[in-house]
Amino acid sequence: RKEVEQDPGPFNVPEGATVAFNCTYSNSASQSFFWYRQDCRKEPKLLMSVYSSGNEDGRFTAQLNRASQYISLLIRDSKLSDSATYLCVVNEMNYGGSQGNLIFGKGTKLSVKP
Amino acid sequence: DGGITQSPKYLFRKEGQNVTLSCEQNLNHDAMYWYRQDPGQGLRLIYYSQIVNDFQKGDIAEGYSVSREKKESFPLTVTSAQKNPTAFYLCASNSGTGATYEQYFGPGTRLTVT
Repeated sequence: RKEVEQDPGPFNVPEGATVAFNCTYSNSASQSFFWYRQDCRKEPKLLMSVYSSGNEDGRFTAQLNRASQYISLLIRDSKLSDSATYLCVVNEMNYGGSQGNLIFGKGTKLSVKP
Repeated sequence: DGGITQSPKYLFRKEGQNVTLSCEQNLNHDAMYWYRQDPGQGLRLIYYSQIVNDFQKGDIAEGYSVSREKKESFPLTVTSAQKNPTAFYLCASNSGTGATYEQYFGPGTRLTVT
């Protein structure tokens, strides 16, 4: 079975802290990788895509390690508003090369305290 | 504004009744999806449709049915055969092309069956 595994947390951190989430995926044929953010009782929203070379968006940095099949998300200078559940998401290629469906991890809950 | 709408936000039904959840998008997306989310769980794919008049079963299609008569609309019927229908249901769409496409979600419908 294709799996995306995450530490469920919760991660309880003070404002200003740096926090890192990891995610592992089981299918080495996975092609695209994403981090989504989901606020309590709301729909998930794309936070950032994850590229092989790593990418940064303000306080957020995403890394991909294909050899070890893991993805990371680093949040620097945490804000109260960063409190949410962070979903690791992997898109696979179907047999024949067509785009497959998204596989969602169960999410890591982050709580930033004042 | 372009987006995905789901209605109603909260839905209550008695056991044994079929219920239909609506999903409409004006993003001109070809692909649409239905997911189910249970507390502490990841999103699980129920059904998806890559094009009008065609749809495929996801990982947990039993007890559900869908139709895709129009590009904009992808209603989900939760039948009485679904053993544990109480959940948060999310509809999503994407353009269906490219390796790094973003999947957009509607606000979700919380279904409670008693």
